[in-house]
Amino acid sequence: AQSVAQPEDQVNVAEGNPLTVKCTYSVSGNPYLFWYVQYPNRGLQFLLKYITGDNLVKGSYGFEAEFNKSQTSFHLKKPSALVSDSALYFCAVRDGGSNYQLIWGAGTKLIIKP
Amino acid sequence: DAGVIQSPRHEVTEMGQEVTLRCKPISGHNSLFWYRQTMMRGLELLIYFNNNVPIDDSGMPEDRFSAKMPNASFSTLKIQPSEPRDSAVYFCASSLQGTIPYNEQFFGPGTRLTVL
Repeated sequence: AQSVAQPEDQVNVAEGNPLTVKCTYSVSGNPYLFWYVQYPNRGLQFLLKYITGDNLVKGSYGFEAEFNKSQTSFHLKKPSALVSDSALYFCAVRDGGSNYQLIWGAGTKLIIKP
Repeated sequence: DAGVIQSPRHEVTEMGQEVTLRCKPISGHNSLFWYRQTMMRGLELLIYFNNNVPIDDSGMPEDRFSAKMPNASFSTLKIQPSEPRDSAVYFCASSLQGTIPYNEQFFGPGTRLTVL
């Protein structure tokens, strides 16, 4: 079955420290992977995507993600967290049987403490 | 570009009433998605339009829900009659789907629906 897992409901990080939000996936065919962020009372905003090529993808607001095919993971990272990074983060992967359907993770709440 | 526009931002209604949610996608985008977000079920795709044509409505919960896209710049999601379990945040998203296998979706701010 095709799926996306975000194993942590919540991640707490001190401001200035590096952060990682984890995502693993299971799909048929080549995976197309995405990260989105949702701030309170807002819609989801696109951060970055992996389609093909370099395994390290850079995105908005200083975020990056590393595609690891052998571990079927696509973890989101940032070298130095800001309080303003506090939000809900969603990982998504394209459904291999569809050219439009995304399979969404449940989301990880990221809390950055001053 | 103003992004995806949704109205109203908040809707409070009583059970049994008709509710209409509206969406204006980003100009030039050819794909439109309606999602529902709840704490229990997360983000669910309700319906997908491509070039104004409904392609996949398998996520529409039941016949009480209907969606239309009369032109490239406007879509509606209607619930009639509404029930308390329909309370959720409804998002509209648009994207440009073409030869690039997967372009990102751009989300509107959402409509928070409360059915009493």
